[in-house]
Amino acid sequence: SAVISQKPSRDICQRGTSLTIQCQVDSQVTMMFWYRQQPGQSLTLIATANQGSEATYESGFVIDKFPISRPNLTFSTLTVSNMSPEDSSIYLCSVERRGQVRYEAFFGQGTRLTVV
Amino acid sequence: GNSVTQMEGPVTLSEEAFLTINCTYTATGYPSLFWYVQYPGEGLQLLLKATKADDKGSNKGFEATYRKETTSFHLEKGSVQVSDSAVYFCALTYYGQNFVFGPGTRLSVLP
Repeated sequence: SAVISQKPSRDICQRGTSLTIQCQVDSQVTMMFWYRQQPGQSLTLIATANQGSEATYESGFVIDKFPISRPNLTFSTLTVSNMSPEDSSIYLCSVERRGQVRYEAFFGQGTRLTVV
Repeated sequence: GNSVTQMEGPVTLSEEAFLTINCTYTATGYPSLFWYVQYPGEGLQLLLKATKADDKGSNKGFEATYRKETTSFHLEKGSVQVSDSAVYFCALTYYGQNFVFGPGTRLSVLP
């Protein structure tokens, strides 16, 4: 298994400001994932963060709005830039164990962001 | 593309009632199937999984059977408790590909 710690667990931010969310994993992992969960909705993948390379963004998400850092194999940050109320969501960090048969996704507790 | 469909919520049950949450998927080949649970204020936790047809995943009294012929992975529990109140997500993945999550089903269990 993997233990994932996210900080902050929640925040209330003013529109136009930026928030950086941290994700720490208790073991080295190749790929880390950032999801957004809008109120009452399912998870939407924002991007995949690989150590030593640029993050790969999904359709509808851009680096200028959601810059990601991945300085080592146990840590990543997601920044939500120039926030608007539409960015109010839960942001989740995830890692996966991928193998031929056994694979599973593990999640942090999430960061509940409210933009006012 | 791959997709997961779940029954609409919210589902409200009395304690000790029988639970079924339907999940069907669209995918090529044979994905692995999962149920994740999200308790209030928390991230997602793996509840159970099945990696091939006819496998049954089980945990904490919950069960789901991988039915290839009906492309389904319905979640069941014989007797729910108040502590089971949460949002349940059905999901699939293939080796090397990203997870695909269903929309989630909110379950409320009343004492």
